[in-house]
Amino acid sequence: ETGVTQTPRHLVMGMTNKKSLKCEQHLGHNAMYWYKQSAKKPLELMFVYNFKEQTENNSVPSRFSPECPNSSHLFLHLHTLQPEDSALYLCASSRPVRDRGGSAEQFFGPGTRLTVL
Amino acid sequence: AQSVTQLGSHVSVSEGALVLLRCNYSSSVPPYLFWYVQYPNQGLQLLLKYTSAATLVKGINGFEAEFKKSETSFHLTKPSAHMSDAAEYFCAVSRGDTDKLIFGTGTRLQVFP
Repeated sequence: ETGVTQTPRHLVMGMTNKKSLKCEQHLGHNAMYWYKQSAKKPLELMFVYNFKEQTENNSVPSRFSPECPNSSHLFLHLHTLQPEDSALYLCASSRPVRDRGGSAEQFFGPGTRLTVL
Repeated sequence: AQSVTQLGSHVSVSEGALVLLRCNYSSSVPPYLFWYVQYPNQGLQLLLKYTSAATLVKGINGFEAEFKKSETSFHLTKPSAHMSDAAEYFCAVSRGDTDKLIFGTGTRLQVFP
């Protein structure tokens, strides 16, 4: 596998279910991100991790719980979601700011299409 | 604060015609600018980036963009559209000293035969 992978690609869940999204990057990066992409809305940054430490939580509801056990893996644990949480969830990675001396692009996975019934 | 405005949520061109997708930015510091493309049911792929080295930036698939500080613009162009260019295009800006990328709302490009 190369780049950034995400599983599952599609997920349908009820409001009372608990599920997890997984992201893995094979690029040797140390910064990882979760984004939410809803129809007709700009891409929303949810969480940022640098060297396994959370450095950004963009006022995300607690029903979304991220976990970063190491620099290559990122999870998003989901519980008691609402129908409005249905969206494409994108994971991305990059070199962290302190290592790159300037801007570096983010590399995105293919996303998980989540439908909450 | 930084922001990005993409003018035109939909752009339609004929195959072989010029593609022009507009992006204007706002930034209190010298910006880093990016164009990403998203094909259906896929993630975002970097087309090109501006990091102050040269104002005319060439990217993949024949796309290029020109940074114009006086106009605070970073428009994306391609001389001749191909059917495979049909996708959604996102402009993004960052400061360089943070991890945040600020994205525009996207422009959907349709290419007609």
